[in-house]
Order: sequence, then structure tokens, then C-alpha cells
Amino acid sequence: GESVGLHLPTLSVQEGDNSIINCAYSNSASDYFIWYKQESGKGPQFIIDIRSNMDKRQGQRVTVLLNKTVKHLSLQIAATQPGDSAVYFCAENTGTASKLTFGTGTRLQVTL
Amino acid sequence: GAVVSQHPSWVICKSGTSVKIECRSLDFQATTMFWYRQFPKQSLMLMATSNEGSKATYEQGVEKDKFLINHASLTLSTLTVTSAHPEDSSFYICSAVSFTEARQETQYFGPGTRLLVL
Repeated sequence: GESVGLHLPTLSVQEGDNSIINCAYSNSASDYFIWYKQESGKGPQFIIDIRSNMDKRQGQRVTVLLNKTVKHLSLQIAATQPGDSAVYFCAENTGTASKLTFGTGTRLQVTL
Repeated sequence: GAVVSQHPSWVICKSGTSVKIECRSLDFQATTMFWYRQFPKQSLMLMATSNEGSKATYEQGVEKDKFLINHASLTLSTLTVTSAHPEDSSFYICSAVSFTEARQETQYFGPGTRLLVL
């Protein structure tokens, strides 16, 4: 059957501040991780990825950190802007034909 | 690059009718596409893996006779919700596998199709 609707955890950040969104993953065999951004009524948008042989990767205003010891992934957004308001999902590749397992998501609210 | 489109973006239908949703990779070819459904305030749930030229692989609990998937070309996969009922109302999202700038295989998502069954 279908699961009961859940409250997404919400992170409120002031415009201009840095945001840190966290994700715990479960499969120690996962070797590839992705962060997606999903705005209301739209599909997920690729932000940044990281392979398990790295612990940090930087993009434009975003940084992903991977801690394999505790199976933890984080997304840092520098100088958060109103356009960053969305739900952010982490996803892990389970090694089967690019198949992904998604986390529960975090809603980022940027206040002015 | 790596643009995925879906059509229609939203559809309202009567209970008992069938609805077809198209997923297209616009600027690349994709031998593998995925279909997800998403309920409000929830994460994406994988329904099936669509493979060009072969049968789709369905996740546990997904009825293959209800959710028909056809991946007839390298740029098009279709999902048909047969005999739709109100509980099938959801946001359906497809993705297609392509490569990042670092040549890593990954999924790029379409904009989603909102289905409302009355």
C-alpha cells in the first residue's frame, strides 16, 4: 500500500547566508552520489555529484562532502539566494544500471 | 545538453480510462529510462526501468499490467496507466541516463506529468 505522507524536514536560511543540507545513506556499497534540486511542480534538477573515491567536490556556489565512515553526505550552498528555495534530495547509486535510491528530501526556505 | 521532456505536463481523466505519458530525450539517446511516481511531500519512488528494445523491469509492488511501459526508440519511452482510478492520481516523472561532463553515467529528469483521475 501507499505510505502515509511525511513532513519534509525544513531548513530556513536567511538570504546571503550559507546553507548546509545533510543526508544519511544506508548502503555501504554505494559508489556514486548525486544531489538534486526539485522546485514545486517540476522534476528534479541535477546539481552536483561525487564518486566514493572522493570526499569533497566543488561546483558553482555548491560543495558536496562525503564521509564514508559514517555514511553521510552533505550539500553546502554558499551565499544562499531566494532562487535556491526548493526541496533537495540526495540519491545513491546502488550499482545496478544507474539505478538510484533517493533520500527523503529537505525543504530549503530562504528568507529575505 | 541532457534535456528530457514529458508530455503532457498535466492530465485529468475519468476513472476507468487509460492515459499515456511520453518521455523524450531531446539531445541525446538513452537506452535506459526510468519511471517514478511522487506523492505530495514525499520522495521519488521508482516504478520501473525502461530498456530500449526489451521488456521493462518493474519494482516490487508495481503492477506491470496496469502500468504499461514501451521503449520503442532510443529517444522515447511511454508509460500507459490503464483503467486509471483515483488512487493512481500522482506526479509521474521520467528520467533518462546520460553522461555528466566528467563522463559519469547519471540520470536526468523530465519536468513531470501530473495525473488527476476523477
